[in-house]
Amino acid sequence: GDSVTQMEGPVTLSEEAFLTINCTYTATGYPSLFWYVQYPGEGLQLLLKATKADDKGSNKGFEATYRKETTSFHLEKGSVQVSDSAVYFCALSEGNQGGKLIFGQGTELSVKP
Amino acid sequence: DTAVSQTPKYLVTQMGNDKSIKCEQNLGHDTMYWYKQDSKKFLKIMFSYNNKELIINETVPNRFSPKSPDKAHLNLHINSLELGDSAVYFCASSQTRRHAPLHFGNGTRLTVT
Repeated sequence: GDSVTQMEGPVTLSEEAFLTINCTYTATGYPSLFWYVQYPGEGLQLLLKATKADDKGSNKGFEATYRKETTSFHLEKGSVQVSDSAVYFCALSEGNQGGKLIFGQGTELSVKP
Repeated sequence: DTAVSQTPKYLVTQMGNDKSIKCEQNLGHDTMYWYKQDSKKFLKIMFSYNNKELIINETVPNRFSPKSPDKAHLNLHINSLELGDSAVYFCASSQTRRHAPLHFGNGTRLTVT
């Protein structure tokens, strides 16, 4: 079945450091890919998405490119801030299962001043 | 003007009890979901409803029964609570179109003692 694998956390960075969180997926069809962010005590919020190969999703300085050849959707940010501390989830949707999202295990990011 | 709201935020109860969690969305979405997040932050879909009809029912004990009185509400009733039911339960909603992103509530932390 479909699955999503993320790099394990926690990831600890200093402010202004470069961030990469790896995400790879397994899918039988042509999924859409998403990154969601969960701040402490809150629900998940959509961070960015890409619906087809080579699409780049971007938002709030974060970027991820849908790479079909490597089945990857790595999240990057050039300069992290303390306020970026959260748990980041990579997810896929096949689009034909009633909106069902399959999530990776989440990667906790902690940014120190 | 909260988009997806869940009540209660915290629920502490004893084994064997029956409890309900309520969810409402004011986004005009046709599809609503329940997800369970375990202690390791892993998220898994439980149910999905579209216009009050059940469309996804993952392998969930039948002690869990969702009910959708209208397309803006999706409640979750749990009978005979067990220790293993302790988790954070998230309600979400989306438009009914391929690859539409989900909008999540802030979660209900259920603790069974």
